[in-house]
Amino acid sequence: GAVVSQHPSWVICKSGTSVKIECRSLDFQATTMFWYRQFPKQSLMLMATSNEGSKATYEQGVEKDKFLINHASLTLSTLTVTSAHPEDSSFYICSATLGDLLQEAFFGQGTRLTVV
Amino acid sequence: QKEVEQNSGPLSVPEGAIASLNCTYSDRGSQSFFWYRQYSGKSPELIMSIYSNGDKEDGRFTAQLNKASQYVSLLIRDSQPSDSATYLCAASLGFGNEKLTFGTGTRLTIIP
Repeated sequence: GAVVSQHPSWVICKSGTSVKIECRSLDFQATTMFWYRQFPKQSLMLMATSNEGSKATYEQGVEKDKFLINHASLTLSTLTVTSAHPEDSSFYICSATLGDLLQEAFFGQGTRLTVV
Repeated sequence: QKEVEQNSGPLSVPEGAIASLNCTYSDRGSQSFFWYRQYSGKSPELIMSIYSNGDKEDGRFTAQLNKASQYVSLLIRDSQPSDSATYLCAASLGFGNEKLTFGTGTRLTIIP
């Protein structure tokens, strides 16, 4: 099946610093990638939709200036958590779909972010 | 009102029995439905997708969709301890690159 690779798998950072998370589609081109956040014992909540070559679309309540998304190529999207705070500690997961006809989404391994 | 609802569980099922997971959705415009399995600390993995009313079978898994009742279910036959996980139901408004709305998940435990 399609492979989506996310890096790093975990990161610990100090409050006030920024962290970049990468999401790559390894064997297919993804014009659209999605970024989710999952707090403990909760479901995945969509943060934003990342479109190659254009600005990301953010869900209501997600600060676009805090969560910077760049989708510079058809195989790479990045999420940068700027000025991280302890409440940003969460499990961040990206996903990509194979194309317009096949709607099944494939997920990256996830990134566990801990802000201390 | 949550858009996709699931019983959070935990649901305990003896090994070898049938596990039944249920999901309802509120948006009648939803077209695509998915079941994902998520192990603790891991990202979701796709189990089944279903787009039309009726049953869809894949090995030990059967997904059922009833659009009139806005209801989706997943049956797991011959449950194995390795099936113990959280099962997430998700819905999408389209068939293309549309965003997924997830339920809160049902935690399933298979008892040996």
